[in-house]
Amino acid sequence: AQSVTQLDSQVPVFEEAPVELRCNYSSSVSVYLFWYVQYPNQGLQLLLKYLSGSTLVKGINGFEAEFNKSQTSFHLRKPSVHISDTAEYFCAVTPGWGAGKSTFGDGTTLTVKP
Amino acid sequence: EAGVTQFPSHSVIEKGQTVTLRCDPISGHDNLYWYRRVMGKEIKFLLHFVKESKQDESGMPNNRFLAERTGGTYSTLKVQPAELEDSGVYFCASSQVGGLGYNEQFFGPGTRLTVL
Repeated sequence: AQSVTQLDSQVPVFEEAPVELRCNYSSSVSVYLFWYVQYPNQGLQLLLKYLSGSTLVKGINGFEAEFNKSQTSFHLRKPSVHISDTAEYFCAVTPGWGAGKSTFGDGTTLTVKP
Repeated sequence: EAGVTQFPSHSVIEKGQTVTLRCDPISGHDNLYWYRRVMGKEIKFLLHFVKESKQDESGMPNNRFLAERTGGTYSTLKVQPAELEDSGVYFCASSQVGGLGYNEQFFGPGTRLTVL
């Protein structure tokens, strides 16, 4: 079984400031890791994913995340946020084999203020 | 290529009524998943189809929920009778056949269900 904990439910930040959204996971098997974004009144959009290889992965819109196996974390970062980054962000894991279900965190609402 | 589509986008019904949600996966995707997010909580798995067969329905909350995928194409999720606690956003996702490779799930826009 897998579980995902997003450590912050709300993150307010000023425009052009850096941001980090934290995600820890627990799993008895190997997993793939994902970050999704949901803009208001829209569906889930994949930001980035970690499958294997380099622990630093880059995604769309200038976001990146670092996989830390020893700390079982997959934190999302952006060096300079824009107003348009205001959205809800979800961390998720899937089993590292087969077509198993995704397990999501509770979501983090990022609010970028001018 | 069209993505995953869901219909309707919004549905408002009275408690005790029936609602049917539809999901059209990406063409050729054998895996189809239903998830839901209730009251701002986490997105929770409901069930997983492989073609027309239910592979995993461990997340279905009770027998008021019935999912079908006739012919292995689109899927419907029926709630009958609907209760207040069924309100939330229902997401559908699809992916290629699994195995040893990577399984990326593509999500639809969701159906927002409100039960009054």
